[in-house]
Amino acid sequence: QVQLVQSGAEVKKPGASVKVSCKASGYTFSGYFMHWVRQAPGQGLEWMGIINPTDGYTKYAQKFQGRVTMTRDTSTGTFYMDLSSLRSDDTAVYYCASQEELRHWGQGTLVTVSS
Amino acid sequence: QSALTQPRSVSGSPGQSVTISCTGTSSDVGAYNYVSWYQEHPGIAPKLLIYDVSKRPSGVPDRFSGSKSGNTASLTISGLQAEDEANYYCFSSAGIYTYVFGTGTKVTVL
Repeated sequence: QVQLVQSGAEVKKPGASVKVSCKASGYTFSGYFMHWVRQAPGQGLEWMGIINPTDGYTKYAQKFQGRVTMTRDTSTGTFYMDLSSLRSDDTAVYYCASQEELRHWGQGTLVTVSS
Repeated sequence: QSALTQPRSVSGSPGQSVTISCTGTSSDVGAYNYVSWYQEHPGIAPKLLIYDVSKRPSGVPDRFSGSKSGNTASLTISGLQAEDEANYYCFSSAGIYTYVFGTGTKVTVL
């Protein structure tokens, strides 16, 4: 069965960067695009971007352009989401989710940005 | 890209039906048959309920159904149950490799 296992919670200071990982298993790694989604406390879901595991092509939501980088490591079956210049309003749970329709989700990674 | 518009909340008694709307534009909901719906309980990753406007993944009860007309998609929950109390989000393609979520709707079972 498809499993997406994300890295653990992070606490960062404003201005720092964070890198969240998402290890995929149970399917052919190159078979499905991977989305990244976040949810701030008490807020709705927000689409951040998508990566093609075959060639690494990425497309980011306009809001995150210049601050987010999505990559993948085909040797380990792991996806990464790097967010830089963190602000307090980047405090959120970050999710990876596979397939165009977000069929499978990771468990979420809480990133707290605080001085 | 602006979020799709959903009602902030809807409510119904057990056994009743409720419908959640998701209004976009001719550039997103109206342009593609790639609308999905998710159920979210606080603290738990969202769960896919409907994809491609009206298809249900295996394991999702047929009480959940989806449809679309023009720039508005809808999720209907029939035979409302206590465990349906949750937040619901729509999600649509908005261009090549571009997507957008709805604002979210809280469903309350009275």
